[in-house]
Parts: sequence; structure tokens; C-alpha cells
Amino acid sequence: QSVLTQPPSVSAAPGQKVTISCSGSSSNIGNNYVSWYQQLPGTAPKLLIYDNNKRPSGIPDRFSGSKSGTSATLGITGLQTGDEADYYCGTWDSSLSTYVFGTGTKVTVL
Amino acid sequence: EVQLVESGGGVVQPGGSLRLSCAASGFTFDDYAMHWVRQAPGKGLEWVSLISGDGGSTYYADSVKGRFTISRDNSKNSLYLQMNSLRTEDTALYYCAKERCTNGVCYFDYWGQGTLVTVSS
Repeated sequence: QSVLTQPPSVSAAPGQKVTISCSGSSSNIGNNYVSWYQQLPGTAPKLLIYDNNKRPSGIPDRFSGSKSGTSATLGITGLQTGDEADYYCGTWDSSLSTYVFGTGTKVTVL
Repeated sequence: EVQLVESGGGVVQPGGSLRLSCAASGFTFDDYAMHWVRQAPGKGLEWVSLISGDGGSTYYADSVKGRFTISRDNSKNSLYLQMNSLRTEDTALYYCAKERCTNGVCYFDYWGQGTLVTVSS
């Protein structure tokens, strides 16, 4: 059972925007940096966002991240069919001394 | 080019053991901490274990503590996961992942393709 909570699914039409929330606590999101991972069907996870809001090279600026208090948010604008995937937030939990992932969110492009 | 290639998965009976390996290339292996992350069929990601670059520090999820042991051989650029007393709930695709840390900000910048472990009688 994950300590980071995400909505099970979000959906929108092509070109629209979706946001995915990741709710935690002071021992994880509240005092550590959040990263986000995209997992396309049948593939390994891929880094999408690190340090709460930074994009690795090659990740389009349609993807954005933010953090406020004990929650983080991933935004995807200009939604494309290729964005259909599972998305996970992750961070270190200082109390547990373990890394923790969110429950995961499936993005569907209508 | 960074590459992480896992191996060693298979079918094992409950109570059995298995040793996973992850062969790394394309970066200075002993400069980076490494992790194991697993994903049960149709489920989300679950962090399993972490080992520091020099192998001196290790961390485990409560679900595997006392049963799994993470290790590395920096001379062979290889990461390992010794899994003992396996349970049906350990059935999953096991990924190795490279950690990158910059100014205290740490994240997984590369992942392998995974090796499947099935625990079944």
C-alpha cells in the first residue's frame, strides 16, 4: 500500500489538458523532491520530471510539474494519443527510509 | 549510451530462492547508487531496495526486509538481488534503476527492461 495517493485515472480529448495530483505527507513530499515517471504500455518507466518541476532533455514542455506543501501535480497540455500511459510520482520518505511511489494514474485520450 | 540489462528471473516455488542480476554499461558504475523496483502483474510500481555506489549502505522495503539482499560488484559493473523465502506475492517484473543525485535531488534517470519472477507451486 503506497503512501502517495494519485487518482486512478484521468481523461481528456486530444489537445486538451489534464492534471494528475500526488498527495503525501511531511515525511515525503513535504520535505523531499518529487519526480514523475511515464510508463507506456508494455515498457519500462521513463523519467518525465525531476526536482519537482524540471524536465530532462528530450521531454517536451507540454509536461510540467509543481509542488505545494505535501502535494505535487503533473500537468500535460496539448494531449496526444501517444501520451496514453500510466504516470507515477515518487520521492524519498525520510521517516520510513525508503523510496515511495504513488498509486499510479492511467491517462486516457478520448 | 547507458544500458541496464536484468537477468535471472524465472519460475520458483514458494519458499524457494532466486538471484537476479543487472549488467550496467555506459556510465561509471561505482559513482552511482542503484535500486531494484518491482511491478506485480497489472499493478503499480513498488520500490524494493537501494544500494550506495560503494556498496556500504543498503535499504529495503518492509515487505522484503530479512528475505532479500541487495549487493553489487563494481569490478563487474553488476548489481544483484538475492531473493530467499519467496512468496506468491513476490511475483512481479523486477527492474533495476540507476539513481542520479544532483545537489541533494535524487531520481531514477535510467531503467532496465525488467526480468520476470513468478512464484508458484
